[in-house]
Formats: sequence, structure tokens, C-alpha cells
Amino acid sequence: NAGVTQTPKFQVLKTGQSMTLQCAQDMNHEYMSWYRQDPGMGLRLIHYSVGAGITDQGEVPNGYNVSRSTTEDFPLRLLSAAPSQTSVYFCASSRHFDRTSNYGYTFGSGTRLTVV
Amino acid sequence: SQQGEEDPQALSIQEGENATMNCSYKTSINNLQWYRQNSGRGLVHLILIRSNEREKHSGRLRVTLDTSKKSSSLLITASRAADTASYFCATVSNSGGYQKVTFGTGTKLQVIP
Repeated sequence: NAGVTQTPKFQVLKTGQSMTLQCAQDMNHEYMSWYRQDPGMGLRLIHYSVGAGITDQGEVPNGYNVSRSTTEDFPLRLLSAAPSQTSVYFCASSRHFDRTSNYGYTFGSGTRLTVV
Repeated sequence: SQQGEEDPQALSIQEGENATMNCSYKTSINNLQWYRQNSGRGLVHLILIRSNEREKHSGRLRVTLDTSKKSSSLLITASRAADTASYFCATVSNSGGYQKVTFGTGTKLQVIP
């Protein structure tokens, strides 16, 4: 059981380049989210999905696109990389939270992105 | 803006002491969760407390929730050097018919052996 797998672990991009951060989970979780983590800012929600074909914006969606064609995969696309997008990116997944929930998100190990 | 704000931002204690960190949030929630993050790693879920619960225990962890004050606290008893990490609260709330999970800014805990 691999959990949440993120690739790549490290990436350096030049300003203006595009790329896709991959995220896959094998737990049949409905919920998947992308966060970025910057020093002193905690984790900020970029985009999230409540199931295949359904996505919505979080706090900081500008410059990022997502799609959810399958339950397992939730890629994050950087359209035109900017230095302000230098950050650590985390993907997380969970079952739907309801009144009986007693579990949380499962996180991937992160992608450290540098835009120069 | 962040839904959850942790306090203090940093905490340094001796091994064996208790560590308390607090989380305040702004809107109504379905549940509140606490996570730990070791340096350079992803977050790990510790405990969840539902909006109709006031206190919950798990091992050396004790979480309280006061929905009237929109605040929660995490107590780690008899701390160990291995507890050194950053701790984040996360709130689950309804947003446009969906449930959104948002994280606070974290408390960095250092436990000195």
C-alpha cells in the first residue's frame, strides 16, 4: 500500500516554463488537495477535488491548473512558472469527512520546486 | 487568509515537560484536526475532534475544543526529544456544498534532551 505518491521530489524550473507535478493515491479516497508550504505561511490550499471530475479553487489558485479524470490521480500544472511559485508542494488525500469521521488526510512526501 | 492560527509560533521545552499549543479559527467547523510535521517530511495526522466533542485523548495527546471561543488546544504530556517537530491544526468546514480543509501556520516545538 503506497499511500500518496508525489513526483518529482525536486525540480528546478526557469521562469516561464511549464510543468506538471504528479500525485497518485491507491486508497480510493474521494478527497484530494494540493497545498503549498512557505516559511512562516503554513500550508495554503491551492486546489482541491471531492471526486473524479470535480475540482474547486482554494486560497491561492492563480497560476495553477488541476484536473481529476480518475479517482487515483490529481496532477497540478504550473502554466508559466514564476519565482513566487518557489515552494514545497504537498498533495493529500482523504475519505469524505462526515459526522463519524475519525481520520485525517494522508500526505505525500512533497515536491520541492525552485523557479529561477 | 488562514482559517487556523496557532500560538505560540515556537516553543522550546525540556524533555519530560508538557507542551501546550493553541489554535484559533474564524468560521464554523465540522471537525478540527492536529498534524505533526518532521523537518523535510510530509504531515502526519495525529488526532481529530468533532465539533460536538469537547475533549479527546490519544496516548500522550490531549485535545480540547471550545466552539464558543473558536479555539482548540493540543497538550503533549511528558514530552520526548522525538516530539520535536512542527504541529499544525486543520479545520474542516463547509464551503459551497463541499468540505474544505484549511491549515494554520503551525507551532514549531523543540524538546531539549
